[in-house]
Amino acid sequence: DVKVTQSSRYLVKRTGEKVFLECVQDMDHENMFWYRQDPGLGLRLIYFSYDVKMKEKGDIPEGYSVSREKKERFSLILESASTNQTSMYLCASRNPFSGTGSDGELFFGEGSRLTVL
Amino acid sequence: AQKVTQAQTEISVVEKEDVTLDCVYETRDTTYYLFWYKQPPSGELVFLIRRNSFDEQNEISGRYSWNFQKSTSSFNFTITASQVVDSAVYFCALHSGYSTLTFGKGTMLLVSP
Repeated sequence: DVKVTQSSRYLVKRTGEKVFLECVQDMDHENMFWYRQDPGLGLRLIYFSYDVKMKEKGDIPEGYSVSREKKERFSLILESASTNQTSMYLCASRNPFSGTGSDGELFFGEGSRLTVL
Repeated sequence: AQKVTQAQTEISVVEKEDVTLDCVYETRDTTYYLFWYKQPPSGELVFLIRRNSFDEQNEISGRYSWNFQKSTSSFNFTITASQVVDSAVYFCALHSGYSTLTFGKGTMLLVSP
């Protein structure tokens, strides 16, 4: 069974702390994504990676960074957590679009709910 | 730029009612893909369907059906004879060109017994 695993379902951190959110996929997917989900705002893309050691900014990258040293792992880093980063964080992976079959489908992890106090 | 609008924030129905979730999209590309995802209370988004812009055939999968109309830029999702287990947030999403997937803000469906 294909799987995207996020290391923590629930985290509580203090303002100013450095926070690591880890995501691992076992499908050998090239592309990986980090979204945050907030009520009324839907899913917003923070960062994504087309391949190992590659990263691209999404729509809301400010206050975040990422790391992709291995194909299966994509980490989201909050250098100095702030209260406005309290949110649900969702990791996803997929293979690139080739225009055939059922590709392009994103596989999601269960999410990490972060509270910053 | 691409955009997905799900105008219905929340819908409440009673079990066995039919319900339609609306999705309107905007893109300048002629080749694009539309998706629906379901997010149950557990949190994990589950893929429901993918449709490319050249295939306007409607699709039915059990109690689920999708109506794709390019003329109105809509990709609506209907659940027939809804059940409590259908309660979830449903997201419509669009992929075109070299962009990443753009999601709508979601529609929360509440099905009561």
